Amino acid sequence: QGQLVESGGGVLQPGRSLRLSCAASEFTFSSFPMNWVRQAPGKGLEWVAHIAYDGINKFYADSVKGRFTISKDKSKNTLYLQVSSLRPEDMAVYYCARDLKEGINAFDMWGQGTMVTVSS
Amino acid sequence: EIVVTQSPATLSVSPGERATLSCRASQSVSSNLAWYQQKPGQVPRLLIYGASTRATGIPARFSGSGSGTEFTLTISSLQSEDFAVYYCQQYNNWPLTFGGGTKVEIK
Repeated sequence: QGQLVESGGGVLQPGRSLRLSCAASEFTFSSFPMNWVRQAPGKGLEWVAHIAYDGINKFYADSVKGRFTISKDKSKNTLYLQVSSLRPEDMAVYYCARDLKEGINAFDMWGQGTMVTVSS
Repeated sequence: EIVVTQSPATLSVSPGERATLSCRASQSVSSNLAWYQQKPGQVPRLLIYGASTRATGIPARFSGSGSGTEFTLTISSLQSEDFAVYYCQQYNNWPLTFGGGTKVEIK
């Protein structure tokens, strides 16, 4: 089955940085592409970033390109999102989500999310 | 960027009735389209991928159709647990994009 558990969210001022983590368990983490998806309060879903199963190819939404960095540590079964230069519009619940399989970027497993609040 | 538009924004349906949700892409996404269900306070759940393939454990009352730019999610006979927000998502091109969602509410 598998499980994803995010952590690292909190309340930060605009311009600050933080790192979100997503711990994966009960599936072969190294074999799956992974993503971050966010949802602002009361709003819809927005895809943020993708990393290939081998960590080589990465893709980002235009809204975060140059400010966010996705990475993975296979030895720790953990996905990361380094968030910098926070903006008020970055306030959201951040979910990590697994691709169904290589080549199918539909998300069959989601974590419970971690909230990032941007407030001065 | 491919813009994905869902309609209607809200759909009022009685239990037992059929619900038909639409999703339109600004350019062809072939069959690279997924549907998700999200209930209040819960994480999204994958229903359909490849425009028409049900994900594991999804009841047969959920069906998807379409290709290119026009897609439909049909719920054949709405159950109480189906009242939720539904999102479509294209994965044919980067960046991946979601539609704005359709809320299915009790009539």
